[in-house]
This record gives sequence, structure tokens and C-alpha cells, in this order.
Amino acid sequence: EADIYQTPRYLVIGTGKKITLECSQTMGHDKMYWYQQDPGMELHLIHYSYGVNSTEKGDLSSESTVSRIRTEHFPLTLESARPSHTSQYLCASSRVTGIFGNEQFFGPGTRLTVL
Amino acid sequence: QKEVEQDPGPLSVPEGAIVSLNCTYSNSAFQYFMWYRQYSRKGPELLMYTYSSGNKEDGRFTAQVDKSSKYISLFIRDSQPSDSATYLCAMILAYSGAGSYQLTFGKGTKLSVIP
Repeated sequence: EADIYQTPRYLVIGTGKKITLECSQTMGHDKMYWYQQDPGMELHLIHYSYGVNSTEKGDLSSESTVSRIRTEHFPLTLESARPSHTSQYLCASSRVTGIFGNEQFFGPGTRLTVL
Repeated sequence: QKEVEQDPGPLSVPEGAIVSLNCTYSNSAFQYFMWYRQYSRKGPELLMYTYSSGNKEDGRFTAQVDKSSKYISLFIRDSQPSDSATYLCAMILAYSGAGSYQLTFGKGTKLSVIP
């Protein structure tokens, strides 16, 4: 099992609240990713990071923001949660550069419900 | 037309059956193909990857790629109840810098193996 952790696993919160989803990995991976997954739909990349102080937006527009102050930590923040943010959020990390062996290890996910 | 098409199922088979899971893609620039397995309430885990047309075998699993038809398959022999999960195909297309390649996922096929 991969050493990548996400907290909380489940979160139910009211509209307008600020939330932070935590993601940590103990594998020393430089690259980390956030995906959004809705039931029966594809995983969509919303943010990624090459390393400390590096963050980029993915192919799916998201109102969330991320930070990468430490290699092992890649939190995602929503300043003002809305019902449209209800989804499963998956964090992943990878080590190897280059196209071969680009295995991404996934955390268990955070299921967010905004009422 | 989506870049990657995958029948979401659900697919239900008896224990011991041979399972065939498939994805088609539209962009011939996809060059690296993966299959992920996702158990309920868990993150995806990499099962197999391949980059050339033909077959790749790993135990009960065989990944098949036909680049001329833009079609990939995952076969599971002697299926077990523990194989019950959602299977996601993923493909690498874009180079996103710093040695990273973005994955494009299918929607996933939900498989149930009945004892």
C-alpha cells in the first residue's frame, strides 16, 4: 500500500465555509497532484506540483487553491465552499521522471459534501 | 467526442469467468497506456502499464493494445470475488514540464464477480 494520506476522509459542510483538504506522502516524491472524481465520471486533474514552491493548474478549472511549502505536504483549500464543490478529491504523487514508469500513487480520497 | 471512451458497466460475472474490459481513444498521439483498479472508498492503484501494441501479461491479467484501432483491453482470467472493483484505463498524452506527463482517464468500468 502506498504511503499517501488524506484527511479528512469525509466532510459535510455548509455553504460559504472555508475548508482545507490535507494530503501528505512519506515517499519523498517530488510530484504531487489533485484530482476531482464524480460518480461515473473521469478523474480530472485540477492541480499539480513539480516540487516545493511549484504549483500549476490542471485541465479542469477549479476554484480551489493549493500550496507546496514542504515536499511531503500538498493541501488544497476552498475559500468559500459551494454545493457545486461536492465531489471526491483524490491526491496522488509520483517519483520517476520521464514517460516510462510514471506511476502515480493515490491516496484514499476525501469525499466532500457541501450543503 | 471524449478523448477516452470506456463503458461504465456495471459488469457482473460469475467467479472463474474471463473478463474483458475495454477503452477506445480518439487521439493517436496517446502513447502510453495504463490500467488502474479502484476499490470502493479507496484511491486508484496501478495494475499494469504498456506502451507498445500487443499483449503484456502479469499473472491473471493481460493488457492488450491495438494502436491501429485505437483500442486497449484488460483481460482477467479466472476472475475472483476480490477482483470486484472499478477498473480505469488511463493514457499519457501531454508533457506538462519538469519530466511530468498528464494522464487522461476513462470513466471506469464497475466489475462485480459473483461467488
